[in-house]
Amino acid sequence: GAVVSQHPSRVICKSGTSVKIECRSLDFQATTMFWYRQFPKQSLMLMATSNEGSKATYEQGVEKDKFLINHASLTLSTLTVTSAHPEDSSFYICSARPLLRRLSETQYFGPGTRLLVL
Amino acid sequence: AQSVAQPEDQVNVAEGNPLTVKCTYSVSGNPYLFWYVQYPNRGLQFLLKYITGDNLVKGSYGFEAEFNKSQTSFHLKKPSALVSDSALYFCAVRDNGGSQGNLIFGKGTKLSVKP
Repeated sequence: GAVVSQHPSRVICKSGTSVKIECRSLDFQATTMFWYRQFPKQSLMLMATSNEGSKATYEQGVEKDKFLINHASLTLSTLTVTSAHPEDSSFYICSARPLLRRLSETQYFGPGTRLLVL
Repeated sequence: AQSVAQPEDQVNVAEGNPLTVKCTYSVSGNPYLFWYVQYPNRGLQFLLKYITGDNLVKGSYGFEAEFNKSQTSFHLKKPSALVSDSALYFCAVRDNGGSQGNLIFGKGTKLSVKP
């Protein structure tokens, strides 16, 4: 149980285009989903926290107009990188925290999306 | 400020030997501590957590971790390492200062197990 999927797993796009990444909790409902960014050989940096039906909370330094987050349901959150540039190339990882109380302290992570902007 | 420190960038052990991956933390309030493992080009897999209760926590794949309040540590251990344990290990603490319960991660420790 507690499986999180991400789609796509890898995407290559041209500079200036927008890319949407989906994060789904497959076998549980998630009150909260988190979006992280990981640079090579570095730790995960929290970008934003999304709650179903409300606006996302962005970490300091993260542009909310560039990284659009939509949390349409208890099982789906999307991250859209708008007008992508080469510096946006990174590994994006989402996680979900279950609605079920006894599991709610643990975040379950998706497999990540590798974005390469040319 | 709450933080997690993993003092070792890399840990090398021989297969069959015990392994320890170190983690220390600094939090306000009760610490909620986690260990995750990441294989190349993959997301993080949950190993174990300490919320309350016994200081020795047992997790997936034979791993365990010991919560030590006086030393503010939560070291990850395994009695006998396998080559397949080679991966990147992250210690994390829940951000008690925030309302969303997000995690604060250490920088990661690369574990290399040689045959």
